[in-house]
Amino acid sequence: GENVEQHPSTLSVQEGDSAVIKCTYSDSASNYFPWYKQELGKGPQLIIDIRSNVGEKKDQRIAVTLNKTAKHFSLHITETQPEDSAVYFCAASRRAYGQNFVFGPGTRLSVLP
Amino acid sequence: GAVVSQHPSRVICKSGTSVKIECRSLDFQATTMFWYRQFPKQSLMLMATSNEGSKATYEQGVEKDKFLINHASLTLSTLTVTSAHPEDSSFYICSARAQQGAGNTIYFGEGSWLTVV
Repeated sequence: GENVEQHPSTLSVQEGDSAVIKCTYSDSASNYFPWYKQELGKGPQLIIDIRSNVGEKKDQRIAVTLNKTAKHFSLHITETQPEDSAVYFCAASRRAYGQNFVFGPGTRLSVLP
Repeated sequence: GAVVSQHPSRVICKSGTSVKIECRSLDFQATTMFWYRQFPKQSLMLMATSNEGSKATYEQGVEKDKFLINHASLTLSTLTVTSAHPEDSSFYICSARAQQGAGNTIYFGEGSWLTVV
């Protein structure tokens, strides 16, 4: 089955700096990779996703890159703000009906003012 | 994006009683919903996959008789924790699959804090 690893487990950056979180996956058949942000005591919120036919996707300060050959994908947050502080989860899935997502263990991001 | 509503957000129950948590997809039909459990500072642990009109599929180690899942309609799935014990206290989160074109996206509810006293 799929196995998703995520690094680092914790990340502290100064406000305004960039943050990068990396994930690797094991199942070469996985072709959908979402990123979720979870604030304390709340459910995860989808912030960006990428499908395997695309190498990069950007949405304002957030971008995701995918390297299918190496089986890894990364979340990039630029110009970080204190409200970006949260736990971020990556996930991998086959784009087939009924397939569940396999989540990474999460990265706790702290943006220091 | 799509909205998934979870209720209640917080519940306290006595040991030995049962408690039901509802998960509703508000603006889309969800033939598949997922139930997760999350302990503090840990990732989401999938408990079961709920398919509308059929029995749920439970992950290894999850007691199906203790965590009853019902997916009676395309917009509602319920998780009932039966004979709850303090060790069942946790954050329970549901998610629902929204089919979009050739792909699929999963949206999460806000979670339910269960405290068993």
